[in-house]
Amino acid sequence: NAGVTQTPKFQVLKTGQSMTLQCAQDMNHNSMYWYRQDPGMGLRLIYYSASEGTTDKGEVPNGYNVSRLNKREFSLRLESAAPSQTSVYFCASLMRAGGYYGYTFGSGTRLTVV
Amino acid sequence: EDQVTQSPEALRLQEGESSSLNCSYTVSGLRGLFWYRQDPGKGPEFLFTLYSAGEEKEKERLKATLTKKESFLHITAPKPEDSATYLCAVQADNNNDMRFGAGTRLTVKP
Repeated sequence: NAGVTQTPKFQVLKTGQSMTLQCAQDMNHNSMYWYRQDPGMGLRLIYYSASEGTTDKGEVPNGYNVSRLNKREFSLRLESAAPSQTSVYFCASLMRAGGYYGYTFGSGTRLTVV
Repeated sequence: EDQVTQSPEALRLQEGESSSLNCSYTVSGLRGLFWYRQDPGKGPEFLFTLYSAGEEKEKERLKATLTKKESFLHITAPKPEDSATYLCAVQADNNNDMRFGAGTRLTVKP
């Protein structure tokens, strides 16, 4: 099915460990985004990529890095995980077609850092 | 700085009891205001985009309206399957991303 695919769905890390969250979309969208969602705080933008080869910081970029590997894939890396990074992470791509203008989200990665 | 405030935080309705969710926003030039629905354990699902004050959009029991300061999501004769968290977001003219509110958690009891 067309859409945004995120892996893994769940992950538990120890403080200081590193990991990469993967995101891929098969809709040929230019812009892709990484958000984190915490209770009571809504979705907050970590990084985004307006097009292949470009990335920019969002509202909460500290402790994260990203790579836009190609037009389909946009990965998020935690180099040294901290308990404050416990959250649900969502990848999204921006669709503009036929009167539809909005994000398509993946199903999320639930990350716990202990 | 762009800001989005949603109210109430939570809303409990009986099946068939119509109500409205509010989204107040401040933005330096509005490109679009967005409504999403999010079910537990899932990613948000797109509902509507509104572009200018006075605009309205409908989908089944949902109707979204927009003024220069706020948007309302009206739910007419809700059913239990309408239970979800509803998220509002804005995009400014000079931004490539959206700013989200914290959401309204709607529960519809049969």
